[in-house]
Amino acid sequence: DQQVKQNSPSLSVQEGRISILNCDYTNSMFDYFLWYKKYPAEGPTFLISISSIKDKNEDGRFTVFLNKSAKHLSLHIVPSQPGDSAVYFCAALDDKIIFGKGTRLHILP
Amino acid sequence: DAGVIQSPRHEVTEMGQEVTLRCKPISGHNSLFWYRQTMMRGLELLIYFNNNVPIDDSGMPEDRFSAKMPNASFSTLKIQPSEPRDSAVYFCASNPGTVVNQPQHFGDGTRLSIL
Repeated sequence: DQQVKQNSPSLSVQEGRISILNCDYTNSMFDYFLWYKKYPAEGPTFLISISSIKDKNEDGRFTVFLNKSAKHLSLHIVPSQPGDSAVYFCAALDDKIIFGKGTRLHILP
Repeated sequence: DAGVIQSPRHEVTEMGQEVTLRCKPISGHNSLFWYRQTMMRGLELLIYFNNNVPIDDSGMPEDRFSAKMPNASFSTLKIQPSEPRDSAVYFCASNPGTVVNQPQHFGDGTRLSIL
């Protein structure tokens, strides 16, 4: 029973366009959300986070949106660059952290 | 600035053998986490420590798994006896505080194969 779902295993986006990665959750008690990026043979690295009291957080090319009523968050990357090709994990927390299974993003030249 | 260091990077062993994975967190970090990544289940939290004390081990799959943190700069995850279904990538992570909602710094993982 997955509490954090990333329903798209993979996504391909043209370089320069916007990448939108989605994440749904089931537990309304989650109060903090994070996105991590992972390259092959490396550990995940933290990208951006958002508290449940906010609906948007922006850091450079990366913006996370939170829709609490829909229990949905998304990560927007604009413009997409070749180095953004990686697996992206969303994670949600109440007293423990739960990760989604990830979405593999391919940035096409 | 050294990150989280895990060893070995790869381990291949026969079922029934004892396996020990090692982790050195970032100096000054107070929390340490062990994760397992598989295709089926994704990234799962196994156990975490605050100030060397185990706080939540509810993710540890069974008694064959044990973790220790004898001091602030070292932790081990042990599997005894190992089974083929334990094959996975095991990650260690640390963060500066004592709460889980701070971003964690991950090591590069240990890829474990049990034959």
